[in-house]
Amino acid sequence: QVQLVQSEAELKEPGASVRVSCKASGYTFTSNYDINWVRQATGQGLEWMGWMNPNTGNTGYADKFEGRVTLTRDTSLSTAYMELRNLKSDDTAVYYCARGRFDFWGQGTLVTVSS
Amino acid sequence: SSELTQDPPVSVALGQTVTITCQGAVLKYFSASWFLQRPGQAPVLVLSPGNNRPSGIPDRFSGSDSGTTATLTITGARADDEGDYYCNSRDPSGSHPRWVFGGGTKLTVL
Repeated sequence: QVQLVQSEAELKEPGASVRVSCKASGYTFTSNYDINWVRQATGQGLEWMGWMNPNTGNTGYADKFEGRVTLTRDTSLSTAYMELRNLKSDDTAVYYCARGRFDFWGQGTLVTVSS
Repeated sequence: SSELTQDPPVSVALGQTVTITCQGAVLKYFSASWFLQRPGQAPVLVLSPGNNRPSGIPDRFSGSDSGTTATLTITGARADDEGDYYCNSRDPSGSHPRWVFGGGTKLTVL
């Protein structure tokens, strides 16, 4: 069965960076499914951040995050990564990875930004 | 970037039918998908474009598209249908593929 398992919660100070991982199993990681990243602040809606093609490494980012987020992957580990830099308090949110057209989601990773 | 607008919170009596709508200019070009997010859980896809239900999603969930509006219908609502419903769609603006989510609609089953 398809599973996306994300890394554990993180606590970061303002200005720091965070990297969240998303390990895929149950399908071929480099097949025709992008990995999308979505975040959700407490009590708020879903916000799309960007996509990555695990086969080619090609990426695309929402305008809001362009220049501050980088999506990468390690095909040998079937794992996708999301790095967000220069963290601010309003980056505190649960970050999700999702396959393709969002048919499978990771369990979410809480990133808390606080001094 | 484009936007998708969803209904305010709605409620439905157990066993009755409820509709939730999603409006946006992008829906003229791309059909919507629908997701249910129960409290404390990740979203779950309940309907993909073409009114397709993923495996395990009951047929009481159905969808339709008309112009710039997508509609999710739940026929015979159950208690475990309660949660936040989100629509999303491709966004044709910009130089690369992108996605947009609606703001969500909270459904209460009475």
